[in-house]
Amino acid sequence: DTAVSQTPKYLVTQMGNDKSIKCEQNLGHDTMYWYKQDSKKFLKIMFSYNNKELIINETVPNRFSPKSPDKAHLNLHINSLELGDSAVYFCASSQKGRGTDTQYFGPGTRLTVL
Amino acid sequence: GDSVTQMEGPVTLSEEAFLTINCTYTATGYPSLFWYVQYPGEGLQLLLKATKADDKGSNKGFEATYRKETTSFHLEKGSVQVSDSAVYFCALATNFGNEKLTFGTGTRLTIIP
Repeated sequence: DTAVSQTPKYLVTQMGNDKSIKCEQNLGHDTMYWYKQDSKKFLKIMFSYNNKELIINETVPNRFSPKSPDKAHLNLHINSLELGDSAVYFCASSQKGRGTDTQYFGPGTRLTVL
Repeated sequence: GDSVTQMEGPVTLSEEAFLTINCTYTATGYPSLFWYVQYPGEGLQLLLKATKADDKGSNKGFEATYRKETTSFHLEKGSVQVSDSAVYFCALATNFGNEKLTFGTGTRLTIIP
């Protein structure tokens, strides 16, 4: 009964490759997010979607393209991977995307670019 | 822009010690304030939150009070346990619609038996 799940948990790949991370939530929430956590544990929003519509895009390189086939899924595709993309990526969801809403996080995907 | 300033870590305490992790914020309007906790190898989970001034959030013995006058949301616990060892993040979200979380840098807490 996992609330927010991500696959894969670990991803090791070469520079220049293209990879995807998948996220699914079974909470019935309208809003989903992607966050990036760097090696110093600093967390920063990348994107948010509300009912499949892009709401927040925080000056992320256009090599990163989120896709939301339905409101329960938000996938992250990354083209031409670079060393600096190595990080832990967290998916999250909230009920309506309001400031008062709790966000529920997935377990994270550790991406290592060699 | 919005920002959260959090006490630098790491913090190491003995079991049953009193814990305070300081958090102050800068935001437009009146944000909601959160403490999230990340246990080793896991994602973040909400510890507590407060959505308006003078509200106190509490959970698992932890407390934090939303102080508008000092723009603070300090986390406290009277007696910590080894199982409280984790990274703690203070965060805010403004209330203008379609809100993201803005996080502090995180404070790593280690409790020694």
